[in-house]
Amino acid sequence: QKEVEQDPGPLSVPEGAIVSLNCTYSNSAFQYFMWYRQYSRKGPELLMYTYSSGNKEDGRFTAQVDKSSKYISLFIRDSQPSDSATYLCAMTLVNYQLIWGAGTKLIIKP
Amino acid sequence: DAGITQSPRHKVTETGTPVTLRCHQTENHRYMYWYRQDPGHGLRLIHYSYGVKDTDKGEVSDGYSVSRSKTEDFLLTLESATSSQTSVYFCAISVGGSGFSEQYFGPGTRLTVT
Repeated sequence: QKEVEQDPGPLSVPEGAIVSLNCTYSNSAFQYFMWYRQYSRKGPELLMYTYSSGNKEDGRFTAQVDKSSKYISLFIRDSQPSDSATYLCAMTLVNYQLIWGAGTKLIIKP
Repeated sequence: DAGITQSPRHKVTETGTPVTLRCHQTENHRYMYWYRQDPGHGLRLIHYSYGVKDTDKGEVSDGYSVSRSKTEDFLLTLESATSSQTSVYFCAISVGGSGFSEQYFGPGTRLTVT
């Protein structure tokens, strides 16, 4: 079993829909949680960074951490075709290497 | 943009030849990383550096070596390239002082070993 599980998709939704992307993990000691966006043939780009549990909002993006369920989510409101990309989750302990999900491919249909 | 460049951006090489990839940063960050990305595996850490001449192995270090003689440059060498090393290679830096915090990535090098 991988330490971080992420559905590879593709997830296809119409423009304007709310998108929910998720990762589950097995190590309850993880404390830092990140979401990256990766466009085709580009490097990953950091979107959101959260520590411990709770929600964090940045514009149309909301990151949610549920440590009791070992589950993190990224919500995208009012989705746009430009949001079409692969979304990677990553997490870590303090001063330890990042553990990555394999990524979910998201397609927003105009 | 964390000021990271990678060279070359694309390379085709033959099995058994040595290959060196270069990562260059402009902001003097202490921590630098090399990852490979393959379908179904996500990002896997090859080696990382926490200062000039200070490096350590990651998850998939076999067949790879690294060097860091200047803060701004981190080199990845495939000592004798194999077809299994065909991949996209990303360099990253960490802006947090503690090392493994949020990381920022370069544009990648697409390597094909024939």
